[in-house]
Amino acid sequence: NAGVTQTPKFRVLKTGQSMTLLCAQDMNHEYMYWYRQDPGMGLRLIHYSVGEGTTAKGEVPDGYNVSRLKKQNFLLGLESAAPSQTSVYFCASSYIRLLYNEQFFGPGTRLTVL
Amino acid sequence: AQKITQTQPGMFVQEKEAVTLDCTYDTSDPSYGLFWYKQPSSGEMIFLIYQGSYDQQNATEGRYSLNFQKARKSANLVISASQLGDSAMYFCAMRIPYPYNNAGNMLTFGGGTRLMVKP
Repeated sequence: NAGVTQTPKFRVLKTGQSMTLLCAQDMNHEYMYWYRQDPGMGLRLIHYSVGEGTTAKGEVPDGYNVSRLKKQNFLLGLESAAPSQTSVYFCASSYIRLLYNEQFFGPGTRLTVL
Repeated sequence: AQKITQTQPGMFVQEKEAVTLDCTYDTSDPSYGLFWYKQPSSGEMIFLIYQGSYDQQNATEGRYSLNFQKARKSANLVISASQLGDSAMYFCAMRIPYPYNNAGNMLTFGGGTRLMVKP
């Protein structure tokens, strides 16, 4: 049982390049989330999904797109990377909407945009 | 809008002593959950403890306990008998359930407190 995994772990991009971050979970969770963490700050929600084929915007969605074609995978795309997107990206998943269900986090992806 | 405030950017504690990390929250929803996560220098987010807004008793998990004062809207984390391995960032977070929150039970995080345990 791997939990939540993220690939890649590190990436350096040039401004204007594109990339996709992959998140996978093997816990059969319905809900999946993408957060970003900037230095000295807590996590902020980018996009989330409440089930296969559905996605929705979070607090800071601009510049990102997501897709959830399979229940176990949640992809985060940057179409044209900007230096402001330099951050650590965390994926998380949880069971359906019960209040006490904790979110399980992946190990994070450290992205630098030059 | 929901908000979590952690007023202590950094704290020191002597090994084997207890420490309290402060967290205050703001919400108008009657039903919510409060979480604490630990983030060591390796970067992963580790779930520590949960408190529901309707729970009558304060949550405890081993050396972690949550001092929940609903009227004051505070949910402080207490770590007893600090260990060197407790040195990390600690985040308080709040979840508002569907249907009050249309963001799929998202977590709202505070800015974190960096705890440093001195030997």
